[in-house]
Amino acid sequence: QKEVEQDPGPLSVPEGAIVSLNCTYSNSAFQYFMWYRQYSRKGPELLMYTYSSGNKEDGRFTAQVDKSSKYISLFIRDSQPSDSATYLCAMSQTDKLIFGTGTRLQVFP
Amino acid sequence: NAGVTQTPKFRILKIGQSMTLQCTQDMNHNYMYWYRQDPGMGLKLIYYSVGAGITDKGEVPNGYNVSRSTTEDFPLRLELAAPSQTSVYFCASSYARDANSPLHFGNGTRLTVT
Repeated sequence: QKEVEQDPGPLSVPEGAIVSLNCTYSNSAFQYFMWYRQYSRKGPELLMYTYSSGNKEDGRFTAQVDKSSKYISLFIRDSQPSDSATYLCAMSQTDKLIFGTGTRLQVFP
Repeated sequence: NAGVTQTPKFRILKIGQSMTLQCTQDMNHNYMYWYRQDPGMGLKLIYYSVGAGITDKGEVPNGYNVSRSTTEDFPLRLELAAPSQTSVYFCASSYARDANSPLHFGNGTRLTVT
């Protein structure tokens, strides 16, 4: 069993839709949870970062962590074509960082 | 701000050839990393460095070597290229090696070994 599981997609949605991206994990020691966004032919860039359970909002993006279920989500409201990218979840405990495989999102006009 | 710069962007190697992937950063970060990204496999850590003169193995170090003679540069060396090393390689840097210090990635080197 992989430490971090992420649906690869692709996920295709119309502009304006609410998008939900998810990851599950097996290591209960993970404490920090991140979402990276990767545009085609580019390196990943940090989108959001949360510590422990709860929600964190940044503009159209909301990151949610449920440690009891070992489940994290990234919600994108009013999705735009410019949101089309691969989204990678990442989790860490102290200095160990594990990435999910990424979910490819396509937002069409 | 250049951030993390990787060269070359693309390379095709024959089996058994060697090459060096270059990485330089201008953020004065102590920590630097090399990852490979394969379809369906996510990012895997090859090597990392906590400062000039100090390197350590990551999850998938076999077939690779690194050096860190300066804070800015962290080259990755492939000595005897194999088809299994066909991948996209990303260099990254961070201020510290903890969750409060996000990784800053370069735009990758796409390597094909045939």
